Amino acid sequence: DAGVIQSPRHEVTEMGQEVTLRCKPISGHDYLFWYRQTMMRGLELLIYFNNNVPIDDSGMPEDRFSAKMPNASFSTLKIQPSEPRDSAVYFCASSPPIRGSGLRDEAFFGQGTRLTVV
Amino acid sequence: QQPVQSPQAVILREGEDAVINCSSSKALYSVHWYRQKHGEAPVFLMILLKGGEQKGHEKISASFNEKKQQSSLYLTASQLSYSGTYFCGTEDLFSTGNQFYFGTGTSLTVIP
Repeated sequence: DAGVIQSPRHEVTEMGQEVTLRCKPISGHDYLFWYRQTMMRGLELLIYFNNNVPIDDSGMPEDRFSAKMPNASFSTLKIQPSEPRDSAVYFCASSPPIRGSGLRDEAFFGQGTRLTVV
Repeated sequence: QQPVQSPQAVILREGEDAVINCSSSKALYSVHWYRQKHGEAPVFLMILLKGGEQKGHEKISASFNEKKQQSSLYLTASQLSYSGTYFCGTEDLFSTGNQFYFGTGTSLTVIP
């Protein structure tokens, strides 16, 4: 497997524009996570899906952020409208479950999307 | 709740040892450890599930205390390649779903 694939790797956009980040998880992984990383706030969980269903979106900063997972092999994170404070590296990660426990196993991270909003 | 990591940063000379701690105010279901090098994605090191568990190999290992509220990562005879930021990640299991949190990270720098 090629691992978790994110696109684009870099995105520069103007304030107010819509931004869509894409993620292809590893085949067979039940969990998909979207993280945001900044120097100030560290690694923050935005939302996670289990079997394509959003389970916890309490980390989504505000209504400008939305995420979807229409099928097991694709997810998007959308920011509309974007603001300079959204500038960060956004990571997508996927993991399989630990059988019989309901807990997640090792998370595999994509290479991230570096978003700059000017 | 976000786990607390300590120290925030540490500088070592090659061959020295380091311990990174991760603690929570309540018992956890699991603890994960990750390392992130500058400009790269976090990479999984290990997961601990049981109280009293110790795992890893002689160079990089971790423990989970009996109460499952504290974990420590041990780096022995450090190498230049160990440099990076180390994160612990914790998982709580609720009826409505799981909750995951990463600690604030520990920056480790190994110098020759």
